[in-house]
Amino acid sequence: DTEVTQTPKHLVMGMTNKKSLKCEQHMGHRAMYWYKQKAKKPPELMFVYSYEKLSINESVPSRFSPECPNSSLLNLHLHALQPEDSALYLCASFGARGGELFFGEGSRLTVL
Amino acid sequence: GEDVEQSLFLSVREGDSSVINCTYTDSSSTYLYWYKQEPGAGLQLLTYIFSNMDMKQDQRLTVLLNKKDKHLSLRIADTQTGDSAIYFCAESAGNNRKLIWGLGTSLAVNP
Repeated sequence: DTEVTQTPKHLVMGMTNKKSLKCEQHMGHRAMYWYKQKAKKPPELMFVYSYEKLSINESVPSRFSPECPNSSLLNLHLHALQPEDSALYLCASFGARGGELFFGEGSRLTVL
Repeated sequence: GEDVEQSLFLSVREGDSSVINCTYTDSSSTYLYWYKQEPGAGLQLLTYIFSNMDMKQDQRLTVLLNKKDKHLSLRIADTQTGDSAIYFCAESAGNNRKLIWGLGTSLAVNP
């Protein structure tokens, strides 16, 4: 199983809403990532969790709040977003054994 | 600083080979990756190569690494219309597995 599962696939929210994106992997990977991607651009790193601890925050605005409840799950809590935050949000996990970094299919977020 | 460069577009005829090139600057890179992204989809890990290797082959894909010139290439044999996508090259830098990405090469396969 080399799968990273993200839900929901699509999300539309207003600027005053609170929502969450979820990511799950069962490959035993201990590093998990959130990326943001705009159309036809490379992904931009947001957060890295290593062994369930936040190890990198790429100066992401506080309206994005990550959470890693356990080694298989990663959440991204969203609050008071702006229209420019509309993007594809990708979760990834890294396997220390061989260098494989797998991505999920992403959650496409639209902020109205 | 660290940088990864790729040509932005490539157009090939169906059945021909495609070669997508990438140059990088960080000589301490551990892994170099190729990802494929189809419209509206996530990033599919195509293949990756450890920095102490020169070549890796996986079915229709061949990766060549020239460490001296910091040049990486991806060859797709017998290119099909389903190979039309954006291909991203990325290098890992440091122990935190932070990837440095190229801007992506848009591959168009013509029947």
